[in-house]
This record gives sequence, structure tokens and C-alpha cells, in this order.
Amino acid sequence: KQEVTQIPAALSVPEGENLVLNCSFTDSAIYNLQWFRQDPGKGLTSLLLIQSSQREQTSGRLNASLDKSSGRSTLYIAASQPGDSATYLCAADGNNRLAFGKGNQVVVIP
Amino acid sequence: DTAVSQTPKYLVTQMGNDKSIKCEQNLGHDTMYWYKQDSKKFLKIMFSYNNKELIINETVPNRFSPKSPDKAHLNLHINSLELGDSAVYFCASSQVTGGQETQYFGPGTRLLVL
Repeated sequence: KQEVTQIPAALSVPEGENLVLNCSFTDSAIYNLQWFRQDPGKGLTSLLLIQSSQREQTSGRLNASLDKSSGRSTLYIAASQPGDSATYLCAADGNNRLAFGKGNQVVVIP
Repeated sequence: DTAVSQTPKYLVTQMGNDKSIKCEQNLGHDTMYWYKQDSKKFLKIMFSYNNKELIINETVPNRFSPKSPDKAHLNLHINSLELGDSAVYFCASSQVTGGQETQYFGPGTRLLVL
């Protein structure tokens, strides 16, 4: 059974700093690794999807890396802004289902 | 236009009642999902349908019965509601099974059982 862990559970950073969010998963047999953003009281918004054959994906200030063999993914957010405050969820896709971590709750302080 | 929509947004009901949550997607996807997010914000898959056929059923009590009348709709009916059913229920859709495409989530239905 796939287990996904996200560290740290919560963090606060001053505006302008780079954010580093870590995700680990126990079963390396995955199709892809996805990062989502969830705002309070809202649904999930897809940020990045890294296929199992890829090492990283980039979108604007966001960059996600994937090391399948060691069961790790990292989400980097450059030059954080107050609007980046949210919960970031990592999900490992294998066996036709997404297994989610509990999220990294991020607060960017103006 | 909302890609994945759910109704109702909020649902407050008494223990023992039966309730339904509806989900519709206008993305033309062939796969739809139901997830449950508990009070600790942990998100877990419940069901998945591909072209109206059930493909995932994750050890969910049989009080929960999904129904897919067509590819664009996946409804969730819950019988004999219990306190522990209180959670946020998310519907999602994707184009290809196995999640090789990203999943698109609805806004969630907040269920409170009293």
C-alpha cells in the first residue's frame, strides 16, 4: 500500500524567500507524481505532474523534481509571494489511484 | 464554465438519513472519482468509474453507493448516515485511467452529520 509523507507539515516564510517542500513515497512503482494546491474551503488545483520517466517539471516560479528510485519529490517555489499561502498536496499515482500526503501548509508573510 | 461541479456545496443532516451528492464534468473526460477529506485534511480515494464502469472501490462501507448514469456524471448516495461520515467529499475527473493525465477536482461538498 502506497504511503506518502510530506515534510514539514507547516511552515512560514517571509515574502521573497524560496520555498522547498518535500514529499516521500514508499512504493516506487508509480505512473506519475502530482502536486496540487488547496486554498481554505476550496477544491484542489493541479500545479505540476511529473511522469515516472521524467526527472522534473517547471511552470513559472514552480519547479518539481522526482527521484523515483529513492521515493522522493521536491516542490520549489521561487521568490514566494503572499498569494502562495495555501496547502500544497503531493500525490503518487499508481495502480489507477492517487495516494495523497497530508500536505504542507504554507504561510508567506508580507 | 465550471469544469467539475458538485451539488450541494454544503449538506447538514441528521444521523440515519439518506443523502445524495451530485457531480458533473464538462471536460469530456472518461474517468471520474470520489475522494473523502476527513477532519485532519487527509484525502483518500473512495471510488473511480471509467466509462460508467466501476474500476476502484476502496474498502468503503456499502452504505456508500456511487452511480454513473453517463460519462459526465458520477453521483454518490449515502444511506443511514453516521457521525463519522462528516467530511468534505471531492469529485474529480481525468481523461485516462491510471492517472497519466492530471485530475481535475470539484469544489467539494461539506457534509455535516448531527
